[in-house]
Amino acid sequence: DAKTTQPPSMDCAEGRAANLPCNHSTISGNEYVYWYRQIHSQGPQYIIHGLKNNETNEMASLIITEDRKSSTLILPHATLRDTAVYYCIVRGPGNTGKLIFGQGTTLQVKP
Amino acid sequence: NAGVMQNPRHLVRRRGQEARLRCSPMKGHSHVYWYRQLPEEGLKFMVYLQKENIIDESGMPKERFSAEFPKEGPSILRIQQVVRGDSAAYFCASSPRPTSDYEQYFGPGTRLTVT
Repeated sequence: DAKTTQPPSMDCAEGRAANLPCNHSTISGNEYVYWYRQIHSQGPQYIIHGLKNNETNEMASLIITEDRKSSTLILPHATLRDTAVYYCIVRGPGNTGKLIFGQGTTLQVKP
Repeated sequence: NAGVMQNPRHLVRRRGQEARLRCSPMKGHSHVYWYRQLPEEGLKFMVYLQKENIIDESGMPKERFSAEFPKEGPSILRIQQVVRGDSAAYFCASSPRPTSDYEQYFGPGTRLTVT
């Protein structure tokens, strides 16, 4: 699976959009981009995933560049409860499905 | 539809004792993954199981750790003769398919403390 690079930390004002970037320049054509988050010490929470097209669900939007070498997770109206570590993970076939977590981005939402 | 269940949520063991951690996957999920998170560290994959089979144990320590997922009942992660370095949060996740287009859902974790 391709390696990902994320900024270690970011701040966001409550009510504003949080845009979390991820670089995955070695991604191959059949690898998906996944986002999870871990709030404090809770179990990781699935957010969204995509292959090529942009995706949106009730939690967030995922924007994948045309060359697929980077992506952005967008939380449209961040709340204090969105403070967490956000992980960008690339998953491809043939790895038995295990998730390889990096260091992630610690997002601090401030009032 | 209940989520992934793990029990106990907190477990305290003395050095040398055995720890048994249980994971019940979401309904309809037959693929279970175990991850460990040491204090102040990231999550690390340990083992992937399907019903009655260990598929990938590349992240499991070679000694004292074992896992099973029987035909009936929860998946069990067993740690024999625990040491202080085993103190960590252990999470399991389940999925309906192991393929890269299916997400995994995580349980709340078991926090193991070895005294």
